Amino acid sequence: QKEVEQNSGPLSVPEGAIASLNCTYSDRGSQSFFWYRQYSGKSPELIMFIYSNGDKEDGRFTAQLNKASQYVSLLIRDSQPSDSATYLCAVRTGGSYIPTFGRGTSLIVHP
Amino acid sequence: GAGVSQSPSNKVTEKGKDVELRCDPISGHTALYWYRQSLGQGLEFLIYFQGNSAPDKSGLPSDRFSAERTGGSVSTLTIQRTQQEDSAVYLCASSPEQGDQPQHFGDGTRLSIL
Repeated sequence: QKEVEQNSGPLSVPEGAIASLNCTYSDRGSQSFFWYRQYSGKSPELIMFIYSNGDKEDGRFTAQLNKASQYVSLLIRDSQPSDSATYLCAVRTGGSYIPTFGRGTSLIVHP
Repeated sequence: GAGVSQSPSNKVTEKGKDVELRCDPISGHTALYWYRQSLGQGLEFLIYFQGNSAPDKSGLPSDRFSAERTGGSVSTLTIQRTQQEDSAVYLCASSPEQGDQPQHFGDGTRLSIL
């Protein structure tokens, strides 16, 4: 059974701080990793995806992947109240078109 | 279209009625997925289409649920004899076949069974 685990939170950070969201996965064959943001009452919105070990940066967002330790992280720099949302981690195994989603981490950025 | 389009955005119906939910994927996307999300819960996978065929329908919760896709584009999810536990947001996502590309989600259909 493929599992993707996220701390449900809420993770509360002050405005301007770095928010660190973590995701662990069980299947060592996992090859593709996705982060989605979901505002309350809205559908998931793709933020970033990463395939290789290391860091991938896009604006204020950085995805970090460590396949040996089977975790992927999302860092949000200079957090803003508008970043308050649930962040979903999704992991896809090589050869499968169906990702496994974590249950999400709720992030609250307070002014 | 520019994004995944779902209709209706909201549907309220009485228990026992049949409902049809529609998804129009991003143009050129051959993979299409249906998910269900109950209030405060995670995403529940229902069915996956590659073109017009459904290689994986393992997530359909009962035989009251069915889905089809015609012309490799629009998909319809049908729920027969609806029950109150079917109340949820039904999300559709699509992705290109080639490579390992991410899914893009529609805005969903909020289904309420009275």
